[in-house]
Amino acid sequence: EVQLVESGGGLVKPGGSLRLSCAASGFTFSSYSMNWVRQAPGKGLEWVSSISSSSSYIYYADSVKGRFTISRDNAKNSLYLQMNSLRAEDTAVYYCARGALDSSALDYWGQGTLVTVSS
Amino acid sequence: QSVLTQPPSVSGAPGQRVTISCTGSSSNIGAGYDVHWYQQLPGTAPKLLIYGNSNRPSGVPDRFSGSKSGTSASLAITGLQAEDEADYYCQSYDSSLSGPWVFGGGTKLTVL
Repeated sequence: EVQLVESGGGLVKPGGSLRLSCAASGFTFSSYSMNWVRQAPGKGLEWVSSISSSSSYIYYADSVKGRFTISRDNAKNSLYLQMNSLRAEDTAVYYCARGALDSSALDYWGQGTLVTVSS
Repeated sequence: QSVLTQPPSVSGAPGQRVTISCTGSSSNIGAGYDVHWYQQLPGTAPKLLIYGNSNRPSGVPDRFSGSKSGTSASLAITGLQAEDEADYYCQSYDSSLSGPWVFGGGTKLTVL
């Protein structure tokens, strides 16, 4: 069974940093691209970042470019999101999602971790 | 403002058929990129409902179907049930953006 479990969320002050983790199990992690998608309270889904299976290709939404860094450790079956210079508008539930092998769909999602940026 | 446009809400009575539209442009849906649909039940994570415009993952009832034409796509739900009440999102790929995965703004389905 595919499982994605996010952790690392919490309350942080504006300008602060936070590192999210996503532990994957139930599939060959090193074969799949991975993504972070966020959802602000009461709002829709916003794609944040994507990393290819071997970390060769990395993409960011304009809203986080230069502040967030996505990475992965295939030996540890883990995905990360380093978030710096956090702003109030980064407040959201952050989901880890697996990229489908044969399409641009996100076929499995974690339960999410809440990041709150507030003074 | 989302790159893909969805109606904020739709509603229908149990047993009825409803459709949710997703309108894009020549740089995403119109460029031939696939459209995918997600269902988000209240308080839960999104779940892939339709991929590649019209394909259902294992376990998704055939009451759910997807289609695509030109710069738009649609999700149809037949035989509406109370448990279908959820938010629905379309998603595609956009070649004009540096971060190419794009979502619609979401549609709240209410079962009357």
